[in-house]
Amino acid sequence: KNEVEQSPQNLTAQEGEFITINCSYSVGISALHWLQQHPGGGIVSLFMLSSGKKKHGRLIATINIQEKHSSLHITASHPRDSAVYICAVRGVQTSGSRLTFGEGTQLTVNP
Amino acid sequence: DAGVIQSPRHEVTEMGQEVTLRCKPISGHDYLFWYRQTMMRGLELLIYFNNNVPIDDSGMPEDRFSAKMPNASFSTLKIQPSEPRDSAVYFCASRYRGTGELFFGEGSRLTVL
Repeated sequence: KNEVEQSPQNLTAQEGEFITINCSYSVGISALHWLQQHPGGGIVSLFMLSSGKKKHGRLIATINIQEKHSSLHITASHPRDSAVYICAVRGVQTSGSRLTFGEGTQLTVNP
Repeated sequence: DAGVIQSPRHEVTEMGQEVTLRCKPISGHDYLFWYRQTMMRGLELLIYFNNNVPIDDSGMPEDRFSAKMPNASFSTLKIQPSEPRDSAVYFCASRYRGTGELFFGEGSRLTVL
């Protein structure tokens, strides 16, 4: 079992739909990151969380430390949101700043 | 700030050749990371530096790989000799300890023939 698991692996939505991507982890963490990667592109850090909830535009990230679970929500999805979304955790037991990555969720938003 | 700058963006080389990838982190950031991304293995941490000092190089695949950070504004990742299995996208990222947020470069796509 991977330390970080994301679901779903692939997600197709229609423009305007509300989207949720989930991330579960099995270790104690000091922080969780949500990353976005467009096809052939670089990686952008969307959020870094250690508790609660953060919002940036149409993106919302939540984390439940007790349940070891985080969600990334996209409201009013748009084709430009099509990308791979990666969850990564910084464990309290691992070396300093090492991140453990999920396998990513491929999101396709159709017009 | 221009963000994390990597060069070259693309490199095609033949097996056995030396490859040097370069990274300029964001000014003021005290952590620098080198990651490798492949279809098979996803994102993997190769090595990271704190204040120019290598802290964790356990992800470096083998002795063919080496990384240096001679000063706060420059780092290199060298592969010598290169092999086809080294073909991947190599990302550099930097972070300021105070905020913890990571900033990635655009990546260097390496193809070893």
